[in-house]
Amino acid sequence: LAKTTQPISMDSYEGQEVNITCSHNNIATNDYITWYQQFPSQGPRFIIQGYKTKVTNEVASLFIPADRKSSTLSLPRVSLSDTAVYYCLVGPPGRRALTFGSGTRLQVQP
Amino acid sequence: ETGVTQTPRHLVMGMTNKKSLKCEQHLGHNAMYWYKQSAKKPLELMFVYNFKEQTENNSVPSRFSPECPNSSHLFLHLHTLQPEDSALYLCASSQDGGVPSYEQYFGPGTRLTVT
Repeated sequence: LAKTTQPISMDSYEGQEVNITCSHNNIATNDYITWYQQFPSQGPRFIIQGYKTKVTNEVASLFIPADRKSSTLSLPRVSLSDTAVYYCLVGPPGRRALTFGSGTRLQVQP
Repeated sequence: ETGVTQTPRHLVMGMTNKKSLKCEQHLGHNAMYWYKQSAKKPLELMFVYNFKEQTENNSVPSRFSPECPNSSHLFLHLHTLQPEDSALYLCASSQDGGVPSYEQYFGPGTRLTVT
C-alpha cells in the first residue's frame, strides 16, 4: 500500500476554507484516494473518494493533480463542528483492510 | 447514526474477567471489521469477516476472540486482558463491490478500560 504523509495538525477560523494536503508518492495505477473524518470518541466517517482530477460532494472537494502523487481535501467555509481528525487513505478498490495513518488534527476557532 | 450499533458503549473490566463486545449492522452489508484505537495511536485493523468467514487476522493476541454468527452480527470476546488493551474498539461494515469502494461505516465504539 502506498505510504501517505499529512500534516499532524492545522488551525483555522470559522468561515475560512481549509485545504489539507496528503502526499502519496508511491501511489499505484489502480489506487484510489479516500478521506475519512473522525470526531472525538466516535468512529471515522467516509467523506470523499477520487481517482483523478476533481471530485466534489456536499461535504468537501478533492483535488488530485495529474501525477496523482498528492491530493488535497478542501473544506469550504469551516465551522466549529468541522473540528476533527482527517485521514487520507490510498489503496486499490475492493481491498477491505483500511490502513489509517495518524491523520491531520484540524482545530477550528471561533 | 451510521446503521452500525455497538454495545456496551463503555466497559471496565479486571484482568481476570471475561466479557464480550457486540456489534450489529442494519445496512445489509456483507463484510464486518474490528478496529482498535489506542490513545494517540492510529486505528489498527484487528479482524475482517466476509460472509461470516474470517478473512484477515492482523496478528491479534489470542486473548481477543472474534465471532461472526451471521453477516449482521459481530462479537469480540475478551479474556485475561492487559491494561495496555485499554482502548476504543470500533466495529465497521461495508458492502463488497460497493461504490465507492473503501466506504466503511463505523459504529460509535466501545471504550474499554482494563484495570
